[in-house]
Amino acid sequence: DTEVTQTPKHLVMGMTNKKSLKCEQHMGHRAMYWYKQKAKKPPELMFVYSYEKLSINESVPSRFSPECPNSSLLNLHLHALQPEDSALYLCASSPPGRARNYEQYFGPGTRLTVT
Amino acid sequence: SQKIEQNSEALNIQEGKTATLTCNYTNYSPAYLQWYRQDPGRGPVFLLLIRENEKEKRKERLKVTFDTTLKQSLFHITASQPADSATYLCAPSGGYNKLIFGAGTRLAVHP
Repeated sequence: DTEVTQTPKHLVMGMTNKKSLKCEQHMGHRAMYWYKQKAKKPPELMFVYSYEKLSINESVPSRFSPECPNSSLLNLHLHALQPEDSALYLCASSPPGRARNYEQYFGPGTRLTVT
Repeated sequence: SQKIEQNSEALNIQEGKTATLTCNYTNYSPAYLQWYRQDPGRGPVFLLLIRENEKEKRKERLKVTFDTTLKQSLFHITASQPADSATYLCAPSGGYNKLIFGAGTRLAVHP
């Protein structure tokens, strides 16, 4: 299995809702990532988990709350979002190792619309 | 701050020609540089990784160069095909497990 899956594909939520995005990989990767991508812009890193521990938080607002329950799963909990948070949310994973960087495998993304 | 520049305008080329995409970076020295392809509404797909001590890397019709003096990477697609039409993202490493993506160059290959 060489893919990263994300659910749901599309999500519409109101500003008072609570929802979660889910990401799963079964490649044995031990680094997992959340990115946000606005239209015609590059992916922007939000969070990195390494060996199930949060290693990077790019000063993301607390209305986004990541969780890594195990080495295969990554969640992003959403609460009290703003319309400007509407974007494509991408999950990625990369292999473990001593080297500083490996290629990242991306999921298809969740298209989020905040109304 | 770290800055990455890619051709902001679309690159239009004829099928069979070589496409050359440019990535320039400033204010830091990445140890690695990666290139990804992204189709509309889909996640990026990894293409090639080149390390700072490598001058050139090849994979099938793809070639990437990395000039740490010029702070530039060039990405070449030889014998281009319409199926190569996509946005290509340059991503120098920004630290451990961290990539910084350029804005991307949209490539259109015409039959």
